[in-house]
Order: sequence, then structure tokens, then C-alpha cells
Amino acid sequence: AAGVIQSPRHLIKEKRETATLKCYPIPRHDTVYWYQQGPGQDPQFLISFYEKMQSDKGSIPDRFSAQQFSDYHSELNMSSLELGDSALYFCASSLGGDTQYFGPGTRLTVL
Amino acid sequence: AQTVTQSQPEMSVQEAETVTLSCTYDTSESDYYLFWYKQPPSRQMILVIRQEAYKQQNATENRFSVNFQKAAKSFSLKISDSQLGDAAMYFCAYRWNYGGSQGNLIFGKGTKLSVKP
Repeated sequence: AAGVIQSPRHLIKEKRETATLKCYPIPRHDTVYWYQQGPGQDPQFLISFYEKMQSDKGSIPDRFSAQQFSDYHSELNMSSLELGDSALYFCASSLGGDTQYFGPGTRLTVL
Repeated sequence: AQTVTQSQPEMSVQEAETVTLSCTYDTSESDYYLFWYKQPPSRQMILVIRQEAYKQQNATENRFSVNFQKAAKSFSLKISDSQLGDAAMYFCAYRWNYGGSQGNLIFGKGTKLSVKP
């Protein structure tokens, strides 16, 4: 069965640079979620989209923005990167409000 | 605010034996979902089992089962016949089901399970 695809899998950036993370949900899933997992921590919800509209917002910094496109893929844009942004970023998808299935994550390292 | 608490930071089990991981949650809502996710060293988040709050019957998936006590707001995971591949971080998660909206998951801090050969 098709799974959630995230790219890139690893990303290294310098402080104050910009990063773009991409997520391709499971086919026919209409909802995408973004989570951030710091080292040794549980995942924290950032933002979600349903049918290309923002549906919920969590603890997402103002430096971050995201959107869902017409083909349902989503991108998380992160600007003015800080050392504290180093984390594993997960995308998850679901059909409506049903069970969320996670992608493999993008490991972001900010130097 | 809804919260999820996992009181066991680490657990250990002998291969082929049974282990139970604890989870409690706090909510004033009556319609919600509970999940257990497994995160092995690869860091992939893998769904283990899901429970709908309005269903009294405890969910079961092969060697994994839950003990859902709604009144006590308790949701423990039992792993039977433990295997080396079960070694991972296990997260308990809650999602409020409000009017079909796409609620986010609230996670506990996790329990690291070791399996001894």
C-alpha cells in the first residue's frame, strides 16, 4: 500500500537560511498534518490542512508557513532558521478526521 | 486542555513474555480516539492500535491489545509474546473528535521498551 512520502529525508542548513519540506499524502487522503519532534521529545503539532484550507494551527512559529496544493501535496516553509529548529519533521495524512498515517520524516539540522 | 500522561519512561521485558504499558489522559470530551504509535530506532511513527471512545470493546491487533477504561481515563497497551522487533519508543496519543473536524494528535512523552533475548 502507498504511504506518505516526504522529501528530502535529510537537510542541513545554516542559521538564518530558508528550508522547504515537502509532503505527498496517501492517495485519496484529503487532510495533511505537520508535526515537529525535537531530540528525546514527543511530536508536537504544527499545522493541518483539509481540502487545501488550513484547518488547525498549533505551536508553529511565525517564521514558518505552510500550504496544501491542488494535488493535495503540502509544503512547510521555514525561514530565518535557528539552531532550535533542528528536529525531525513529520507529515501525516488522513481521510477526513480518521486515523493519521505518518511519513518517514525529514531530519533537519541547523548549523 | 487535553493531556496525555505516560508514567513509565522505560520498561523492559523478556522475549516471549507479556508487558503492559500505561497511559492516562485528561479530557472533558466524550467523543475521541486513542492510539498507540510505535517509534523504532529508524524514527518512523507506526500505528499500533486505535480505540474509539464510544466503543466499549477493547481493540486488538494480533499480539497487541488495549485495556480501555473510559471512566478512569486509562488506556494501557498489552504486548503478548514479546519479540525483539517490538523494542521501540511507544507513544500514547489522543485525538478529540469534534464534528468531523480534523483534530490533531496529542502525544504522551513516550515509554521506551527494551526486549531482552
